Amino acid sequence: SYVLTQPPSVSVAPGQTAMITCGGDNIGIKNVHWYQQRPGQAPVVVVYDDRDRPSGIPERFSGSNSVNTATLTISGVEAGDEADYYCHVWDSSSDQVIFGGGTKLTVL
Amino acid sequence: QLHLQESGPGLVKPSGTLSLTCSVPGGSITSSSYYWNWMRQPTGKGLEWIASIYYSGEKFFNPSLKSRVTISLDTSKGHFSLTMKSVTAADTAIYYCSRGRFLSYMDVWGKGTNVSVSS
Repeated sequence: SYVLTQPPSVSVAPGQTAMITCGGDNIGIKNVHWYQQRPGQAPVVVVYDDRDRPSGIPERFSGSNSVNTATLTISGVEAGDEADYYCHVWDSSSDQVIFGGGTKLTVL
Repeated sequence: QLHLQESGPGLVKPSGTLSLTCSVPGGSITSSSYYWNWMRQPTGKGLEWIASIYYSGEKFFNPSLKSRVTISLDTSKGHFSLTMKSVTAADTAIYYCSRGRFLSYMDVWGKGTNVSVSS
């Protein structure tokens, strides 16, 4: 079945830019969604359909998707952005929801 | 703001059956715009999708769990349910329900419910 690969961890200093990748075979033709999960809380969507933001999500969160890698970019990282981030696609070839393994963002 | 609420027993015996319900206030459970999902997350691990159901009754399953899982929709009661049989300690996790835009992102999640499988 389809596999999404994320780095286990990413570290960034406050104010810097964090980039979290999500690799998958030809992921560029799929719609990729990103969720933020703070400790002890349920996931919250921060980017959907590759690059759209739900209302209430800061413009600091952006997304891109091309060929075999989708990327979540967080600009001007703040301490409150420290969380686990998951990418998600719908795999139409197998009719399955697929999640990446998750990336722990640490703000130094 | 829609809030989903999971409910069910927090403790299930090994080889028993886990049954959870997700309440959906406001009537959107009958909308053709959404599908309804169950996920789980063992402590310290990532999200695992379990199953999804559309208002029409169309169902989708994680192949690794399909043989043990049932998902259903009760529009009269405004909830959807998950049943998992023959549980083991490996099924211990936080279970989340969510609403998804059809075959797209999940825009509303429940807070999750802890389920432990233990004798």
